[in-house]
Amino acid sequence: DTGVSQDPRHKITKRGQNVTFRCDPISEHNRLYWYRQTLGQGPEFLTYFQNEAQLEKSRLLSDRFSAERPKGSFSTLEIQRTEQGDSAMYLCASSLARAPLSPLHFGNGTRLTVT
Amino acid sequence: AQTVTQSQPEMSVQEAETVTLSCTYDTSESDYYLFWYKQPPSRQMILVIRQEAYKQQNATENRFSVNFQKAAKSFSLKISDSQLGDAAMYFCAYRSAGGANSKLTFGKGITLSVRP
Repeated sequence: DTGVSQDPRHKITKRGQNVTFRCDPISEHNRLYWYRQTLGQGPEFLTYFQNEAQLEKSRLLSDRFSAERPKGSFSTLEIQRTEQGDSAMYLCASSLARAPLSPLHFGNGTRLTVT
Repeated sequence: AQTVTQSQPEMSVQEAETVTLSCTYDTSESDYYLFWYKQPPSRQMILVIRQEAYKQQNATENRFSVNFQKAAKSFSLKISDSQLGDAAMYFCAYRSAGGANSKLTFGKGITLSVRP
């Protein structure tokens, strides 16, 4: 079990640029989640997938945000035309769908700084 | 929508002492799950303990235990024999038992410091 892997760990970008983050979940986990966390706050839900299907999207996820999980394995989160308010830690987590009490396993996150 | 409230932003405890972290939540559902997660300075969230709402018995994991009061919608975490490694942010989280609603809703967290 190698855990949930996120890449990159840090990303600095200029306002208006596009960025893409990758998440590799634990291999047997069929659910994958994206959260956003700002300093001193709890994680806020963005979206989640079961296999390749995107089952729920938060209203926080504006049309500049898009997430994919094309083959039901890794996922990408893209932010277009970044704004300073997008600066945050983006967390990925995975779990097993068949076990409701199954905990979410989190990655180390990608810290985005928009200058 | 469900909400989770952690009203204490910070707490401090002496090493080897006991501390209780508070959490309340609001829901109209009768079946759900509650969790406490720990986030050390390295930033990776780790599950501490979990509770099923239909179980009256409070969950216990070694030095960690909960006081679950369903009627009061309260879910506090007790850490006994506090250790320096317990210093972290702690988040209370709610998850609906409904199969279609899988996400965790987190509180704002509490920063716990442990004094040597």
